[in-house]
Parts: sequence; structure tokens; C-alpha cells
Amino acid sequence: KAGVTQTPRYLIKTRGQQVTLSCSPISGHRSVSWYQQTPGQGLQFLFEYFSETQRNKGNFPGRFSGRQFSNSRSEMNVSTLELGDSALYLCASSWGQGEAFFGQGTRLTVV
Amino acid sequence: GDSVTQMEGPVTLSEEAFLTINCTYTATGYPSLFWYVQYPGEGLQLLLKATKADDKGSNKGFEATYRKETTSFHLEKGSVQVSDSAVYFCALSKDQGAQKLVFGQGTRLTINP
Repeated sequence: KAGVTQTPRYLIKTRGQQVTLSCSPISGHRSVSWYQQTPGQGLQFLFEYFSETQRNKGNFPGRFSGRQFSNSRSEMNVSTLELGDSALYLCASSWGQGEAFFGQGTRLTVV
Repeated sequence: GDSVTQMEGPVTLSEEAFLTINCTYTATGYPSLFWYVQYPGEGLQLLLKATKADDKGSNKGFEATYRKETTSFHLEKGSVQVSDSAVYFCALSKDQGAQKLVFGQGTRLTINP
């Protein structure tokens, strides 16, 4: 069974640009959650999607957005990038109420 | 709001030593509690979990008991190995599952041969 796949693994962007990250969940999983990991703030919850609807949202500015498609794949978008958005972005999937399985993450560097 | 506090790292031990990583939480209601492990360059892996008071989670020689009276979920292992070197995260979730996790700051563990 394939795990959670995140693409790309590494990304370098310039301040002011926007970026889209992708997450393919484990087959059959309908919930996808996103987290930001930084040395200073640790792991912080961004949002969760279940059956194409945002079910939970963390405390991040509106520049951070996401969506989920009918096949449960999810994308997150960050607009008007700032240096402080440099982080490891982790995606996790679950069938709904069970264990969350994490991908390897996308490392975003903003220069 | 809900929060998780872990002991400060890094922690360095010799192989076969006893390990304890302290974790306490603040939350209303009855959260589920988790320990995740992150190896270099990898995502997070669930190590163990407990969903109600006095439950003991265990996996790969690691154990943790959900103590509601002390709001704690300390991770222990009787004899660590070099391969246990990683970053360990304590987390809680108010959901039945783990769709919205609140993490501690992580504890880096290094085991020397």
C-alpha cells in the first residue's frame, strides 16, 4: 500500500511569489491535514479537509489556503510569500477517525 | 487553548540506558494522547497512543501511560538502542482520531554506542 506522497520534496521561491504544494493520501483515506514545521514554532496545524470540505482550521493568515479534490488529493497554496514561510510542510492522511499517516514533507525555502 | 509541554532537549544517552521523556498537557475535556517519532529527513511516524485515562500505549519497547490526575504522558523505554536516535514529539487531539494534533516542541534523542 503506497504511503502519503508529497510533491515536490524541495522548493525554493522568492519573496512575494506564490506556491502550491501537493499531497496524495493513502488510498481510501478521506481526511487530509496540513502542518507547518519550523525550528522556532515547532509543528503547527494549518487545516484539515474531509470529503472536499475544510473541517478544521489553524491560526494562520489568509495567505495560507487549501483545497481537496474528489479523489481526496489535496493542495495547499501560500500567496505573497514571506521569509518566515520557510518551513517543512507536512501532510497527513487518515480514513476519518483513525491514525494519521504523515508524508515526508515539502521543504520550502523563501529567499 | 490546548497545549503540550515536553522536557527540554537534546537528550544524550548510552546504549542500553533507561529513557524517560516527560510530557504534560493542558486541555479541556478528554483528549487522546500520542507519541510520534521523526527520523532525519523523514515525516512523522506514530509510535504509540492512548485514548482514555489510565490507558497504556506501547510499541517497539516504548511505553507511556495516560495519567489524567497529573495531566501527563511520559515516554519510557527500558534499554535504548542507537537506532532509537530521533526526535520525539508528544501530541494531543480532541478528535477521536488525530486529524487536528497539538504538538509539543519535540525532544531530540541521541544514543551513543
